[in-house]
Amino acid sequence: DAGVIQSPRHEVTEMGQEVTLRCKPISGHDYLFWYRQTMMRGLELLIYFNNNVPIDDSGMPEDRFSAKMPNASFSTLKIQPSEPRDSAVYFCASSGGQGVSRANVLTFGAGSRLTVL
Amino acid sequence: AQSVTQLDSHVSVSEGTPVLLRCNYSSSYSPSLFWYVQHPNKGLQLLLKYTSAATLVKGINGFEAEFKKSETSFHLTKPSAHMSDAAEYFCVVSDRFGNEKLTFGTGTRLTIIP
Repeated sequence: DAGVIQSPRHEVTEMGQEVTLRCKPISGHDYLFWYRQTMMRGLELLIYFNNNVPIDDSGMPEDRFSAKMPNASFSTLKIQPSEPRDSAVYFCASSGGQGVSRANVLTFGAGSRLTVL
Repeated sequence: AQSVTQLDSHVSVSEGTPVLLRCNYSSSYSPSLFWYVQHPNKGLQLLLKYTSAATLVKGINGFEAEFKKSETSFHLTKPSAHMSDAAEYFCVVSDRFGNEKLTFGTGTRLTIIP
């Protein structure tokens, strides 16, 4: 398995532009998470899905952020319009399977580093 | 509610000496606890996990952690540090089995001195 795949790895954009980050989870995993990492705030959970359904989006900072999971193998995180304070590394992670051995174990992608000028 | 506190933001040790990264947790239930490692410009990787089985948990790369309920601690240790251990380490808590919403600590940066 290729693991969790994120794209793009790096994105530089100007304030006001739309940004779309993409994630392909591990096949068979039924949970998908979007995290944001900054020096100031550390690792923050933005939203997570179970079986393609959003379960908790309380971490999404504001209406400029939206996330979708149209099928089990693809998710997007969109920021529109982007602002400089959105600059961060955005991680996608997935988990799944049955039993204690897999409980809560996340597999992370390599991250998408976003810079908003 | 669940929370986790990593007591040191930065730890430096010499190569070949023991490593101790400290973590205290708070949980309303019997928690699941994890340590993840993040190497520069990489995603996080699971080191080890505790899920109410043996209190001493062995992980990858020679790391282990001991769950101490009386002290609400889950410290990470390694007998002998290697240069490749230099990374950021995160202590993570889930307040119960099946709760997928994890709480991450603020991280401890481990530096290895040659």
